[in-house]
This record gives sequence, C-alpha cells and structure tokens, in this order.
Amino acid sequence: EVQLVESGGGLVKPGGSLRLSCAASGFAFSLYNMNWVRQAPGKGLEWISYISSSNNIIYYADSVKGRFTLSRDNAKNSLFLQMDSLRAEDTAVYYCAREAHNFGYLKIDSWGQGTLVTVSS
Amino acid sequence: DIQMTQSPSSLSASVGDRVTITCRASQGISNDLAWYQQRPGKVPKLLIYGASTLQSGVPTRFSGSGSGTDFTLTISSLQPEDVATYYCQKYNRVPPFTFGPGTKVDIK
Repeated sequence: EVQLVESGGGLVKPGGSLRLSCAASGFAFSLYNMNWVRQAPGKGLEWISYISSSNNIIYYADSVKGRFTLSRDNAKNSLFLQMDSLRAEDTAVYYCAREAHNFGYLKIDSWGQGTLVTVSS
Repeated sequence: DIQMTQSPSSLSASVGDRVTITCRASQGISNDLAWYQQRPGKVPKLLIYGASTLQSGVPTRFSGSGSGTDFTLTISSLQPEDVATYYCQKYNRVPPFTFGPGTKVDIK
C-alpha cells in the first residue's frame, strides 16, 4: 500500500523557517516524481513544487520561488521541503503527493494526510 | 502561465440528479487535465486523468470529457457520498501545475 507521511509542520513566526519531511513507503520511491501541494484554511488547492525522480528537475510556483527549496533522498525514501522567509500567507496544510502516469498521461495518484504550517506572531 | 477556471463555484442538486462541472484553461492544454474530489475534512482523491480516463476504483457514475481549453466532469446520478469540492488541474511537463478554484457540490 502506498503511504506518504508528512511531518515537520507547526507554528512559526513570520520570517522564520521550517523543514517539512515526507516519508514514503509501499512503492519504489526512487522511480517516482513527487510534488508538494498546499491548502490554506478554507481555500482551494495550490501546487507549489515538483521534483523529478532523479533529483535533476525541480519546479516551483512563483508564490514560493526563492524562499522554498525542495530536495529528496532516494536512499531514505524521503522528500524534504525547506521553507524560509515564511509569511502569513504560507499558512496552510502541506501535502506530499506522488505523480504517476498511464497511457502517456500524468496524474497525482497518491496524497499524504498533510501537515499544518501556521505562520503567525 | 495558464489559468484554470471552474464553473459553477457551487451547486446544490438532488440525489439521483445529473451534475456537470466545467473547467476552462486559458490556453490549450490538449488532454492534460485531471479531476480530484475532496470530501469535507479529507485528502484529495484522483477521479479522472487525461481528461477522460477513469482512475481505477472510481465509480462509473463519474466521467470526464473535453480537450484543448474546455473540459467537463459529469456525475451521472448524484449520491450522498459525492458531497465534496471538485478541482480540475492542468498536469503535464510544463509548470505550473495549476488547480482550478474548485466547485462545491451539496445535496439539496
């Protein structure tokens, strides 16, 4: 069974930093591209970052570019999101999400339970 | 960047009704569109990918259609467990992988 378990969320002051982790199990993590998606309280889904399976392609949404850094450790089946210069508008549940593909089409087929990040003084 | 819009933003329908949600891309995205269901307090769940391919395990009352800029998600016979917010997402190899704003579906 595919499992994605996020951790590292919490309360942080504006301008502070936080490092989220996502532990993957139940599949060959090193073969899959991964994403982070967030959801502010009562709001919709926002894609924020993508990393290829081999770590050589990384994308960011404009809203986090220059402040967030995505990385992965395939030996430890883990995904990391380093979040710096945090703002109130970064307050959200952060989901780790797996990309899969079928028939040439891409999709996010598995999601973690999410970890809540609250940025407040 | 390509923008994704959805309509309506919310709807209320009776059990057994046919429900249609529309998603529009600001530029053509071929069939690179997915639909997700998020029940209240739950994690998003993939319903449809490639605009019209049903994800394994998803009830057949859900269907997707469209190509280019205009897409639809149809629930052929609304069930109580379908109360949720539905999101479309542009997902291909060209970022950003933008979600639509969501459509909230309730039972009348």
